[in-house]
Amino acid sequence: QVQLVESGGGVVQPGSSLRLSCAGPESSFSGYTLHWVRQPPGKGLEWVAVMSYDGGGRYYAESVEGRFTISSDLSRDTLYLQMNGLRREDTAIYFCARGSGHSATYFYEYWGQGALVTVSS
Amino acid sequence: SYVLTQPPSVSVAPGQTANIPCGGANIGSKSVHWYQQRPGQAPVLVLYYDNHRPSGIPERISGSNSGNTATLTISRVEVGDEAEYFCQVWDSTSLHPGVFGGGTRLAVL
Repeated sequence: QVQLVESGGGVVQPGSSLRLSCAGPESSFSGYTLHWVRQPPGKGLEWVAVMSYDGGGRYYAESVEGRFTISSDLSRDTLYLQMNGLRREDTAIYFCARGSGHSATYFYEYWGQGALVTVSS
Repeated sequence: SYVLTQPPSVSVAPGQTANIPCGGANIGSKSVHWYQQRPGQAPVLVLYYDNHRPSGIPERISGSNSGNTATLTISRVEVGDEAEYFCQVWDSTSLHPGVFGGGTRLAVL
């Protein structure tokens, strides 16, 4: 079992920045893709971003491209999501997830518990 | 970008079979993965590669995928199966590859 733990959520004003962290057990990221998925209150899941454990293969949802940046620190077994220019519609629970599979398809066997981000004035 | 369509809700009586569809253009050519989410909890993977069950998922849960529809089937439905179910694919040809369906609420009446 791989336990992922998010942190860094909170209440921020529109236009602000916030960085989420996702910590995993030692060496739990190597060889996998790392993803962020979000869920607005009472709504469905939305994929946000992905990166390969080695730092390559970074892709973003259209709704966040140019504002959010995914990164990782393998020495700390930690995944990050830097969120700039936050908008009210970014309000959601943000989950990190480890992606299994291969380049043609990934699925999420392990998820964090989620971090709530609220964008409000 | 690729779109997955799910009905908002499906209702079934205990002991019956629930079929939850997930529609997408030529979805049969893709691998479909399914998640169960209970209120206040993170999603849980229940099927991957169309019909493979992770360890701990009961055999009552199965899947199929052909043409333009993938289906999650839950046999002998129990009250504990009441949850939201999401389908997911990876559109590797897209710059925005991660795709989820809108989710289906399974009500056990």
